[in-house]
Amino acid sequence: DVAMTQTPLSLPVTLGQPASISCRSNQSLVHLNGQTYVSWLHQRPGQPPRLLIHKTSARFSGVPDRFSGSGAGTDFTLTISGVEVEDVGTYYCVQATHFPWTFGPGTRMEI
Amino acid sequence: QVQLVESGGGVVRPGRSLRLSCTASGFVFSNQGFHWVRQAPGKGLEWLAVIWRDGLKSDYAASVRGRFTISRDNSRNLLFLEMNSLKVEDTAVYFCVHSAFDFWGPGTLVSVSS
Repeated sequence: DVAMTQTPLSLPVTLGQPASISCRSNQSLVHLNGQTYVSWLHQRPGQPPRLLIHKTSARFSGVPDRFSGSGAGTDFTLTISGVEVEDVGTYYCVQATHFPWTFGPGTRMEI
Repeated sequence: QVQLVESGGGVVRPGRSLRLSCTASGFVFSNQGFHWVRQAPGKGLEWLAVIWRDGLKSDYAASVRGRFTISRDNSRNLLFLEMNSLKVEDTAVYFCVHSAFDFWGPGTLVSVSS
């Protein structure tokens, strides 16, 4: 199985300041079709996760443009250009290139 | 508006069975694949199973293969997860998820305890 790691696991942030989370896999996440199926999810306490970014860098419908995704191969990053109070919670990366799909351990972001 | 709503969770003894359901609305159900994903209390997300749109092909995580069965009824827009031989470590919130991880239900809690 593809192992996904995230750093940091805990991220104290300041409102209005940028923040970034790293996600790494133990093998390339480039699919045979050339796509890289890495997504980022955000979960607030007591709520289901919601999709922020798919295919490494495509922002999902309705997601504010302060969220951006980047990366290639085995290294991926979620960046928030200026943290807002509603951004607190846990962020997960997930790969859907190789079966079985696997999630990162999560990064808890706190203000 | 896409909506997924799980049901069927509850408290069950180890070794017993439980069937979860997920009602879908807001899109053409039969054209979509779906996953079940779970989250143990205070833990991260674990992918469990996927079923493709025709219902003929499904795949499972090693942790549940042989015990859990995913199925669907396209005539009623329903997704199921049949869980057998439940273990204490199966205690979690179970989410029904659209194929691209873009839509999630609110989850249903399964508690396995003696």
